[in-house]
Amino acid sequence: KNEVEQSPQNLTAQEGEFITINCSYSVGISALHWLQQHPGGGIVSLFMLSSGKKKHGRLIATINIQEKHSSLHITASHPRDSAVYICAVVRNNNDMRFGAGTRLTVKP
Amino acid sequence: DTAVSQTPKYLVTQMGNDKSIKCEQNLGHDTMYWYKQDSKKFLKIMFSYNNKELIINETVPNRFSPKSPDKAHLNLHINSLELGDSAVYFCASSELGGVGYTFGSGTRLTVV
Repeated sequence: KNEVEQSPQNLTAQEGEFITINCSYSVGISALHWLQQHPGGGIVSLFMLSSGKKKHGRLIATINIQEKHSSLHITASHPRDSAVYICAVVRNNNDMRFGAGTRLTVKP
Repeated sequence: DTAVSQTPKYLVTQMGNDKSIKCEQNLGHDTMYWYKQDSKKFLKIMFSYNNKELIINETVPNRFSPKSPDKAHLNLHINSLELGDSAVYFCASSELGGVGYTFGSGTRLTVV
């Protein structure tokens, strides 16, 4: 069993829909990142969380440390949001452990 | 201006060859990493260095040898390349605690 579990694996939405991607982890962490990987391959950290909630534009990320769970929400989704979203936890020695990713496709 | 730069971006080579991938960061981070993304797009840690010192070596074959001449560089040398080494390799760097995690653009290695 992977240390970081993400769901769903694939998600197709219509433009404008509200999207939620979930992540559960089973190891001790110092932080959690939500990463975005576009078809071109580059990886960007959207959020780093150690508690609570963060918002950046249409993206919201939450984490519940006690339940070892995090969610990424996208409001008013747009085709340019289409990408793979990866939940990654930072362990106490700073390396990342990754979920398998959620492939999001937003249709116009 | 690129924060974490990897070279080359693409590498096609024959089985049995030895190759290197270079990584440099200009962010002043103390910790650098190598990650491997396989054909199913799953990312996995290979190595981590903190201030030129090896911190993590995740059951990677001995054919893979990281080298960190200074804290801004972490190069990956691969001996006797095998077909199964084909993947995208990402370099990354961060401050302590995973702050400022920044990835390079990746090196797509194809072994034929």
